[in-house]
Amino acid sequence: GENVEQHPSTLSVQEGDSAVIKCTYSDSASNYFPWYKQELGKGPQLIIDIRSNVGEKKDQRIAVTLNKTAKHFSLHITETQPEDSAVYFCAAEGNFGNEKLTFGTGTRLTIIP
Amino acid sequence: ETGVTQTPRHLVMGMTNKKSLKCEQHLGHNAMYWYKQSAKKPLELMFVYSLEERVENNSVPSRFSPECPNSSHLFLHLHTLQPEDSALYLCASSQDRLFPGELFFGEGSRLTVL
Repeated sequence: GENVEQHPSTLSVQEGDSAVIKCTYSDSASNYFPWYKQELGKGPQLIIDIRSNVGEKKDQRIAVTLNKTAKHFSLHITETQPEDSAVYFCAAEGNFGNEKLTFGTGTRLTIIP
Repeated sequence: ETGVTQTPRHLVMGMTNKKSLKCEQHLGHNAMYWYKQSAKKPLELMFVYSLEERVENNSVPSRFSPECPNSSHLFLHLHTLQPEDSALYLCASSQDRLFPGELFFGEGSRLTVL
């Protein structure tokens, strides 16, 4: 089955700087890669996703890049703000017969004011 | 109400108790899920229901018993739990089970087993 590894497990960034979280996956058939943000006391919420036919996707201050050859994808947050502090999870979803999401272990991002 | 609602938010129970977690979704989705979230571990998929039929059971111990009486409600019945079952239990829904796309999560039920 799919295995998703996520790094780093914790990340502290000065407010205004950029943050990058990286994930690798094992199943080359995976074709959907979402990122979820979990704030304290809340459930995870989708913030951005990318499909395998696209190499990069951007939404305001967040962007995701995908390298299918290397089987890794990354989340980039620019101009970080205190409200970006949360736990971020990457995930991978397979193709026919393996449609369920496999999540990474999460990255706790702290923005230092 | 909108979204996915879970009750109770917090639950403390002894190993011999019987309790239930409840989930309700107001999104008109066809698939509902139970996930277990433990510290420093990936989200663990426990059960999947599609149109009220259980389609997946990821080798979950029988002390966890799900119930889906209709497409809007999902329960997780708990009995004779172990301390290692202490975790945050998340309910989620999606439009469909196949290629679910975005999962909509509730805020979770924090379970402590004494």
